[in-house]
Amino acid sequence: DAGVIQSPRHEVTEMGQEVTLRCKPISGHDYLFWYRQTMMRGLELLIYFNNNVPIDDSGMPEDRFSAKMPNASFSTLKIQPSEPRDSAVYFCASSLLGQFYEQYFGPGTRLTVT
Amino acid sequence: GQNIDQPTEMTATEGAIVQINCTYQTSGFNGLFWYQQHAGEAPTFLSYNVLDGLEEKGRFSSFLSRSKGYSYLLLKELQMKDSASYLCAVKGDGGATNKLIFGTGTLLAVQP
Repeated sequence: DAGVIQSPRHEVTEMGQEVTLRCKPISGHDYLFWYRQTMMRGLELLIYFNNNVPIDDSGMPEDRFSAKMPNASFSTLKIQPSEPRDSAVYFCASSLLGQFYEQYFGPGTRLTVT
Repeated sequence: GQNIDQPTEMTATEGAIVQINCTYQTSGFNGLFWYQQHAGEAPTFLSYNVLDGLEEKGRFSSFLSRSKGYSYLLLKELQMKDSASYLCAVKGDGGATNKLIFGTGTLLAVQP
Protein backbone atom coordinates (compact mmCIF):
# COMPACT_ATOMS: atom_id res chain seq x y z
CA ASP A 1 0.00 0.00 0.00
CA ALA A 2 1.21 3.52 -0.74
CA GLY A 3 0.31 4.76 2.73
CA VAL A 4 -1.52 7.99 3.47
CA ILE A 5 -1.00 10.51 0.70
CA GLN A 6 -1.11 14.26 1.25
CA SER A 7 -0.80 17.17 -1.14
CA PRO A 8 0.71 19.61 -1.48
CA ARG A 9 3.81 18.90 0.62
CA HIS A 10 4.59 22.57 0.95
CA GLU A 11 2.33 25.59 0.57
CA VAL A 12 3.28 29.23 0.84
CA THR A 13 0.47 31.73 0.59
CA GLU A 14 -0.38 35.27 1.52
CA MET A 15 -2.66 36.25 4.34
CA GLY A 16 -6.28 36.31 3.25
CA GLN A 17 -5.93 33.65 0.59
CA GLU A 18 -7.81 30.37 0.56
CA VAL A 19 -5.79 27.22 1.22
CA THR A 20 -6.93 23.67 0.47
CA LEU A 21 -5.06 20.65 1.78
CA ARG A 22 -5.78 17.20 0.43
CA CYS A 23 -5.57 13.69 1.82
CA LYS A 24 -6.02 10.16 0.51
CA PRO A 25 -6.25 7.63 3.38
CA ILE A 26 -5.07 4.04 3.25
CA SER A 27 -7.59 1.94 1.38
CA GLY A 28 -9.99 0.14 3.71
CA HIS A 29 -9.42 2.38 6.71
CA ASP A 30 -12.56 3.54 8.48
CA TYR A 31 -11.20 6.60 10.28
CA LEU A 32 -9.54 9.75 8.98
CA PHE A 33 -7.95 12.39 11.19
CA TRP A 34 -6.65 15.89 10.54
CA TYR A 35 -3.94 17.22 12.90
CA ARG A 36 -1.98 20.43 13.17
CA GLN A 37 1.54 20.49 14.63
CA THR A 38 3.43 23.52 15.90
CA MET A 39 6.40 23.90 18.19
CA MET A 40 4.31 25.67 20.80
CA ARG A 41 1.26 23.42 20.91
CA GLY A 42 2.53 20.09 19.63
CA LEU A 43 0.21 17.77 17.72
CA GLU A 44 -3.43 18.85 17.95
CA LEU A 45 -6.42 16.97 16.60
CA LEU A 46 -8.59 19.23 14.47
CA ILE A 47 -11.32 16.89 13.26
CA TYR A 48 -11.90 13.23 12.54
CA PHE A 49 -14.26 11.23 10.35
CA ASN A 50 -15.69 7.73 10.65
CA ASN A 51 -16.95 6.23 7.40
CA ASN A 52 -16.87 9.69 5.80
CA VAL A 53 -19.00 11.27 8.54
CA PRO A 54 -17.48 13.99 10.77
CA ILE A 55 -17.54 12.73 14.36
CA ASP A 56 -15.69 15.35 16.38
CA ASP A 57 -14.72 18.78 15.11
CA SER A 58 -14.16 20.33 18.53
CA GLY A 59 -10.52 20.93 17.67
CA MET A 60 -11.23 23.11 14.65
CA PRO A 61 -9.89 26.53 15.70
CA GLU A 62 -12.62 28.70 14.21
CA ASP A 63 -15.04 29.11 11.36
CA ARG A 64 -12.23 29.82 8.93
CA PHE A 65 -11.43 26.09 9.00
CA SER A 66 -13.62 23.50 7.32
CA ALA A 67 -13.13 19.85 6.38
CA LYS A 68 -14.97 17.49 4.08
CA MET A 69 -14.80 13.83 3.19
CA PRO A 70 -16.94 13.29 0.08
CA ASN A 71 -15.93 9.64 -0.24
CA ALA A 72 -13.83 6.97 1.45
CA SER A 73 -10.70 7.83 -0.50
CA PHE A 74 -10.51 11.61 -0.27
CA SER A 75 -10.66 14.42 2.26
CA THR A 76 -9.93 18.13 2.22
CA LEU A 77 -9.09 20.68 4.88
CA LYS A 78 -9.79 24.26 3.84
CA ILE A 79 -8.72 27.51 5.47
CA GLN A 80 -10.47 30.64 4.27
CA PRO A 81 -9.19 33.27 4.80
CA SER A 82 -5.74 32.17 5.93
CA GLU A 83 -3.77 34.05 8.61
CA PRO A 84 -0.08 33.95 9.59
CA ARG A 85 -0.94 32.11 12.82
CA ASP A 86 -2.20 29.21 10.70
CA SER A 87 1.39 28.45 9.71
CA ALA A 88 2.08 24.88 10.82
CA VAL A 89 2.49 21.34 9.56
CA TYR A 90 -0.85 19.70 8.87
CA PHE A 91 -0.98 15.91 9.07
CA CYS A 92 -3.64 13.56 7.88
CA ALA A 93 -3.85 10.09 9.44
CA SER A 94 -6.05 7.06 8.93
CA SER A 95 -6.90 4.01 10.97
CA LEU A 96 -8.97 0.88 11.04
CA LEU A 97 -11.97 0.64 13.33
CA GLY A 98 -11.19 -0.67 16.80
CA GLN A 99 -9.41 0.10 20.03
CA PHE A 100 -6.12 -1.57 19.15
CA TYR A 101 -5.38 -0.11 15.78
CA GLU A 102 -2.73 2.56 15.46
CA GLN A 103 -3.04 5.62 13.28
CA TYR A 104 -0.93 5.86 10.14
CA PHE A 105 0.23 9.36 9.34
CA GLY A 106 0.78 10.99 5.98
CA PRO A 107 3.96 12.99 5.26
CA GLY A 108 2.26 16.27 6.16
CA THR A 109 1.77 19.61 4.46
CA ARG A 110 3.98 22.45 5.66
CA LEU A 111 1.90 25.62 5.40
CA THR A 112 3.43 29.07 5.57
CA VAL A 113 1.15 32.09 5.55
CA THR A 114 2.94 35.40 5.05
CA GLY B 1 -9.64 18.00 31.59
CA GLN B 2 -7.10 16.24 29.44
CA ASN B 3 -3.41 16.53 30.24
CA ILE B 4 -0.37 14.59 29.11
CA ASP B 5 3.08 15.48 30.43
CA GLN B 6 6.48 14.48 29.07
CA PRO B 7 9.95 15.98 29.51
CA THR B 8 10.75 18.42 26.74
CA GLU B 9 14.26 17.22 25.99
CA MET B 10 16.65 14.43 26.92
CA THR B 11 20.21 13.57 26.00
CA ALA B 12 21.79 10.13 26.05
CA THR B 13 24.91 8.36 24.81
CA GLU B 14 25.13 5.87 21.99
CA GLY B 15 24.91 2.32 23.33
CA ALA B 16 23.26 3.38 26.58
CA ILE B 17 19.71 2.98 27.88
CA VAL B 18 17.22 5.83 28.21
CA GLN B 19 13.78 6.00 29.80
CA ILE B 20 11.22 8.56 28.65
CA ASN B 21 8.38 9.12 31.09
CA CYS B 22 4.79 10.13 30.42
CA THR B 23 2.07 10.98 32.91
CA TYR B 24 -1.52 11.50 31.92
CA GLN B 25 -4.84 12.71 33.27
CA THR B 26 -7.71 12.03 30.90
CA SER B 27 -11.46 11.69 31.17
CA GLY B 28 -11.24 8.05 30.16
CA PHE B 29 -8.64 5.49 29.20
CA ASN B 30 -8.65 3.02 26.33
CA GLY B 31 -4.95 2.57 25.72
CA LEU B 32 -1.65 4.41 25.48
CA PHE B 33 0.49 4.72 22.35
CA TRP B 34 4.08 5.77 21.77
CA TYR B 35 5.06 7.30 18.44
CA GLN B 36 8.47 8.24 17.07
CA GLN B 37 8.90 11.33 14.92
CA HIS B 38 12.13 12.22 13.15
CA ALA B 39 12.67 15.85 12.27
CA GLY B 40 10.65 16.85 9.23
CA GLU B 41 8.84 13.52 9.05
CA ALA B 42 5.51 12.05 10.12
CA PRO B 43 4.98 10.25 13.44
CA THR B 44 5.30 6.47 13.22
CA PHE B 45 3.83 3.93 15.63
CA LEU B 46 6.14 2.30 18.19
CA SER B 47 4.05 0.61 20.86
CA TYR B 48 0.66 0.18 22.47
CA ASN B 49 -0.30 -0.60 26.09
CA VAL B 50 -3.80 -1.12 27.44
CA LEU B 51 -3.07 -3.37 30.43
CA ASP B 52 -0.59 -2.76 33.25
CA GLY B 53 2.88 -4.07 32.69
CA LEU B 54 5.72 -4.13 30.24
CA GLU B 55 5.48 -4.68 26.49
CA GLU B 56 8.77 -5.50 24.81
CA LYS B 57 9.50 -5.08 21.13
CA GLY B 58 13.15 -5.47 20.22
CA ARG B 59 15.23 -2.62 21.60
CA PHE B 60 12.10 -0.75 22.65
CA SER B 61 9.87 -1.50 25.64
CA SER B 62 6.88 0.35 27.01
CA PHE B 63 5.43 0.17 30.50
CA LEU B 64 2.02 1.18 31.81
CA SER B 65 0.53 1.73 35.26
CA ARG B 66 -3.11 2.73 34.93
CA SER B 67 -3.57 3.39 38.66
CA LYS B 68 -0.73 5.91 38.57
CA GLY B 69 -1.55 7.40 35.17
CA TYR B 70 2.03 6.68 34.16
CA SER B 71 3.92 5.16 31.28
CA TYR B 72 7.50 5.02 30.14
CA LEU B 73 9.30 4.14 26.94
CA LEU B 74 12.61 2.35 27.38
CA LEU B 75 15.16 2.43 24.59
CA LYS B 76 18.12 0.06 24.87
CA GLU B 77 21.41 -0.06 22.98
CA LEU B 78 20.86 3.45 21.72
CA GLN B 79 21.83 4.23 18.15
CA MET B 80 22.37 7.60 16.51
CA LYS B 81 19.25 7.01 14.41
CA ASP B 82 17.17 6.98 17.61
CA SER B 83 17.59 10.75 17.81
CA ALA B 84 13.99 11.88 17.34
CA SER B 85 10.96 13.19 19.16
CA TYR B 86 8.94 10.60 21.10
CA LEU B 87 5.22 11.28 21.49
CA CYS B 88 3.01 9.78 24.17
CA ALA B 89 -0.67 9.57 23.20
CA VAL B 90 -3.71 8.41 25.13
CA LYS B 91 -6.95 7.12 23.72
CA GLY B 92 -9.08 8.86 26.29
CA ASP B 93 -12.65 8.55 25.09
CA GLY B 94 -14.80 5.52 25.61
CA GLY B 95 -16.33 3.29 23.02
CA ALA B 96 -14.86 2.41 19.70
CA THR B 97 -13.54 5.85 18.89
CA ASN B 98 -9.93 6.04 17.79
CA LYS B 99 -9.39 9.61 18.99
CA LEU B 100 -5.89 10.16 20.42
CA ILE B 101 -4.66 12.93 22.71
CA PHE B 102 -0.98 13.63 22.21
CA GLY B 103 1.63 15.00 24.55
CA THR B 104 3.98 17.65 23.21
CA GLY B 105 6.76 15.10 22.79
CA THR B 106 10.24 14.48 24.17
CA LEU B 107 13.14 15.39 21.92
CA LEU B 108 15.87 12.82 22.39
CA ALA B 109 19.42 13.58 21.29
CA VAL B 110 21.77 10.61 21.08
CA GLN B 111 25.41 11.60 21.29
CA PRO B 112 28.45 9.56 20.23
